[in-house]
Amino acid sequence: EDQVTQSPEALRLQEGESSSLNCSYTVSGLRGLFWYRQDPGKGPEFLFTLYSAGEEKEKERLKATLTKKESFLHITAPKPEDSATYLCAVPGAGSYQLTFGKGTKLSVIP
Amino acid sequence: NAGVTQTPKFQVLKTGQSMTLQCAQDMNHNSMYWYRQDPGMGLRLIYYSASEGTTDKGEVPNGYNVSRLNKREFSLRLESAAPSQTSVYFCASHRTSGANVLTFGAGSRLTVL
Repeated sequence: EDQVTQSPEALRLQEGESSSLNCSYTVSGLRGLFWYRQDPGKGPEFLFTLYSAGEEKEKERLKATLTKKESFLHITAPKPEDSATYLCAVPGAGSYQLTFGKGTKLSVIP
Repeated sequence: NAGVTQTPKFQVLKTGQSMTLQCAQDMNHNSMYWYRQDPGMGLRLIYYSASEGTTDKGEVPNGYNVSRLNKREFSLRLESAAPSQTSVYFCASHRTSGANVLTFGAGSRLTVL
């Protein structure tokens, strides 16, 4: 069964304190790994797609990387506006069904 | 563009009542989805519609029905609401071809008493 596990569940950082979020997955024949950001009271918003081990994508203070078993979302010098829940997801057996992890709630304290 | 629009945003029901959550997208997307999000459980797929005229069950379909009314609209119906269906419901859509980049609506918070 396909599984996506995110850690930690919650992360509290001081403004400017860099860190990483982890997403490990077990899926046969990875067809992409997706990162989303979700603000309180809103729907998830797409950030990145990674397709192959070694691939990296960047957007402002965020950088996503992918290995054969896990993905990392690195946050460099975070700001309070980066506070959100970050979700990762992989396509399951059917290409239409994304399996989501439970998310990491990031809080950046000024 | 409005993207994905869900109505209502909030709803309180009594056990046994029925209701329909509405979803419409204006991006000419072929595929549409209904997810529920519960604390500690993450997003779980209820039903999806790969294209107009087709619907399929997801991970947690029991207690729900869906209708793909046309290419733009995909509704979710609770025939006899139960407290276990208290949740935040999200509609999403994407183009059939290319990456599975979902565009989500803002969510509908449903409470069943």
